Amino acid sequence: DVKVTQSSRYLVKRTGEKVFLECVQDMDHENMFWYRQDPGLGLRLIYFSYDVKMKEKGDIPEGYSVSREKKERFSLILESASTNQTSMYLCASSLTGGPGYTFGSGTRLTVV
Amino acid sequence: QKEVEQDPGPLSVPEGAIVSLNCTYSNSAFQYFMWYRQYSRKGPELLMYTYSSGNKEDGRFTAQVDKSSKYISLFIRDSQPSDSATYLCAMSSNAGNMLTFGGGTRLMVKP
Repeated sequence: DVKVTQSSRYLVKRTGEKVFLECVQDMDHENMFWYRQDPGLGLRLIYFSYDVKMKEKGDIPEGYSVSREKKERFSLILESASTNQTSMYLCASSLTGGPGYTFGSGTRLTVV
Repeated sequence: QKEVEQDPGPLSVPEGAIVSLNCTYSNSAFQYFMWYRQYSRKGPELLMYTYSSGNKEDGRFTAQVDKSSKYISLFIRDSQPSDSATYLCAMSSNAGNMLTFGGGTRLMVKP
């Protein structure tokens, strides 16, 4: 069964910490995405990548960065975590020309 | 105005009811339409995928697209408590392109 795996389901971090969220897909997909999901705001795109070492800003990139050193892995980095970054973070991947995205199970991050 | 509008609900129905979930959109370039189901504390999973106008059926689920009205629907027949979830519509102008999501409708099917 094809999968997108996010390294942590639940994470609690302190304000100011540097936070790494990892995402790995085993489908050889070119495209990978990071979203955050908040009640009433829906899914908001943070960053996406169309290829190794390539990255594009989404709608809300401020306070985040990403890294894609290998095709299967896409990391989201919170440079200095803040309480307003408490959210559900979803990673997704897709095949160019393919039907839709495959999502991971999500990481619920709480910043205290 | 959002590019894709979806009533957030919650929509509460009794078990066995027919459920209708809807999205409207403003971008006439959208050609690919999807429905995702998201259970609580899980990631969304692709439920239905359609191209252009028309209907597509898969078991108890039917996806309907009316491009002239910029309106898509997902019908669930004989709804079950296990259908309780948030349903997100999504669409794109080209296959594999960036998806634009609706905000999701929360559905509760009561036994």
